[in-house]
Amino acid sequence: AQSVAQPEDQVNVAEGNPLTVKCTYSVSGNPYLFWYVQYPNRGLQFLLKYITGDNLVKGSYGFEAEFNKSQTSFHLKKPSALVSDSALYFCAVRDANSGYSTLTFGKGTMLLVSP
Amino acid sequence: NAGVTQTPKFRVLKTGQSMTLLCAQDMNHEYMYWYRQDPGMGLRLIHYSVGEGTTAKGEVPDGYNVSRLKKQNFLLGLESAAPSQTSVYFCASSYPDRTAGYTFGSGTRLTVV
Repeated sequence: AQSVAQPEDQVNVAEGNPLTVKCTYSVSGNPYLFWYVQYPNRGLQFLLKYITGDNLVKGSYGFEAEFNKSQTSFHLKKPSALVSDSALYFCAVRDANSGYSTLTFGKGTMLLVSP
Repeated sequence: NAGVTQTPKFRVLKTGQSMTLLCAQDMNHEYMYWYRQDPGMGLRLIHYSVGEGTTAKGEVPDGYNVSRLKKQNFLLGLESAAPSQTSVYFCASSYPDRTAGYTFGSGTRLTVV
């Protein structure tokens, strides 16, 4: 079975400060990992993914994520937060070794960036 | 380039009424999915389809039916709506590739009174 945990319901950060949104996962094999963002009253938009290779993945809107196999984590980061980054963020995982499986999503973390 | 289109965007139903949510994608994606989003619950998979004419149950399939008669369309039906089905419903599609992410529609907000 595959699962994702996002331990924080909400993250608050001041504009200009670095931000981190945490994600840990559990799969029996190797993971394929994804981050999505949801703005109010919108669908989810793809930010970035980790498939293989470099543990630091760069994505849209200046976001990046670091894959850490020993800690089974895939934290989303941005060096300098913007008010417009305020949104709901979802981490998702798929087991790379299980044939085909659907993505399993975390419960989401609300990011609030204050001016 | 529309991507994934969901209709309707909003709907209010009375308990016991039926309705169908339509999802259409123009990206020639093989796989399609229906999720529901509830506060504190994240996204939960209702049903999915790996190709025209095939469907499979997800995590929370009870009370819903689906059909995939055409590759580009994936319908979600509620035969007898219940207040517990009040939610935001999202359709998504993807290529048949384990490294592929999903493309989501903008959602349908359903209220059952």
